[in-house]
Parts: sequence; structure tokens; C-alpha cells
Amino acid sequence: DAKTTQPNSMESNEEEPVHLPCNHSTISGTDYIHWYRQLPSQGPEYVIHGLTSNVNNRMASLAIAEDRKSSTLILHRATLRDAAVYYCILRGTQGGSEKLVFGKGTKLTVNP
Amino acid sequence: KAGVTQTPRYLIKTRGQQVTLSCSPISGHRSVSWYQQTPGQGLQFLFEYFSETQRNKGNFPGRFSGRQFSNSRSEMNVSTLELGDSALYLCASGPPLTSGYNEQFFGPGTRLTVL
Repeated sequence: DAKTTQPNSMESNEEEPVHLPCNHSTISGTDYIHWYRQLPSQGPEYVIHGLTSNVNNRMASLAIAEDRKSSTLILHRATLRDAAVYYCILRGTQGGSEKLVFGKGTKLTVNP
Repeated sequence: KAGVTQTPRYLIKTRGQQVTLSCSPISGHRSVSWYQQTPGQGLQFLFEYFSETQRNKGNFPGRFSGRQFSNSRSEMNVSTLELGDSALYLCASGPPLTSGYNEQFFGPGTRLTVL
């Protein structure tokens, strides 16, 4: 499984934008970039995914580098409820398997 | 639409015992995956079931097993419990495959403590 590298922790202030980086230099051409987050005392939840183009949804934006070796999850206005561990995951077409390979993730702290 | 449910939410066992955890996926979802989460190892994939068949398996000893029923509900069993099995066990379900991936929906987990 291709590996991702994320900072262990990041800190932000409420209502400010947050940019969470992820490096994935060994990404293959068919790997999708997925982001999940895990709020305290909850299971992980899907945030966003992309392949080559930048993506936006109601939760966040995903900016993907042109060479696809890195990506950035953008929370436009952080709230206290965004404090969580954020995981960047590469997913390929593994014969239909739904397996997710989690790294250590980035623990985001949001200050009031 | 009800989310993924896991029972029980908390469980305390002693070494050597066995335990069975249950997961009910979201209605219509046919794939169920199990993960173990510990402070030291993070989230690790245990196994995945689809249409009552194990489709993928992580690197865990044979003491960890699972099964899936015709209604897609799944159970995982851990026999001869060890202290190191204390963890949060998470279940995830996925909708029918429509593209190269599927969003996974996680349950709240079962917190297992082995004394």
C-alpha cells in the first residue's frame, strides 16, 4: 500500500482557515486521495476525496499538486467542532476491496 | 437513515476469555470491514466481508475471526483474550460499488478492556 506522510499535529484559531498537508510521493496513477477525520470518542468519518483536480464539498476543499505527490485539505473557517485527527489515505482499485490503510494522521487543535 | 450500529459499546473481559462483537451496517450496504484502534498502533485493518465472504484480511493472529450473515450483519470474535487486545474495535460499512472506491461509514466502536 502506498504511504502518506502527515505532520503529527497542527494548531489553528477558530474561524481561520486551516491547511492540512499530506505527502504521497509514491502515489500511482490510479490511486485516489481520500481524507477522513476522527472526532474525539467517535469513529472516523469521510471528509473528501479526489484524483487529479481540486475538489470542494460542504465540509472542505482538497487541493492536489500537479504531480500528485502531495495534497492539502483546506478547512475554510475552522470551528471548535473541527478539532479531530485527520487522515490522508490513498485508495486504489484493489479488486473491489474497501480496505483503508490509516497512517498516524494529523491531530488538529482549534483554539477559541 | 440509521447509521452503522455496534454492540455492545463497552465490554470488560479477563485474559483467556473469548468475546463476540456485533456490527449492523447501514441498510443496503453489503460490505463490512473491521478495524482495531490502539494508542500505540493506531487504526489497523482486521478483515472485510462482502456477501458473507471474507474478501480481505489484515495481519492479525488466527484468534481474530469474523463472519457475515445473509442480512449483512457481521460479528467478530476474539478467542483466548490477551491484555494487548484491549482496544477500540470499529466497524465500517460501504454501499454497493459504483466506481473505483466507496466512502466508508464507521460505527461508534466497541471499547474492549481485557483485565
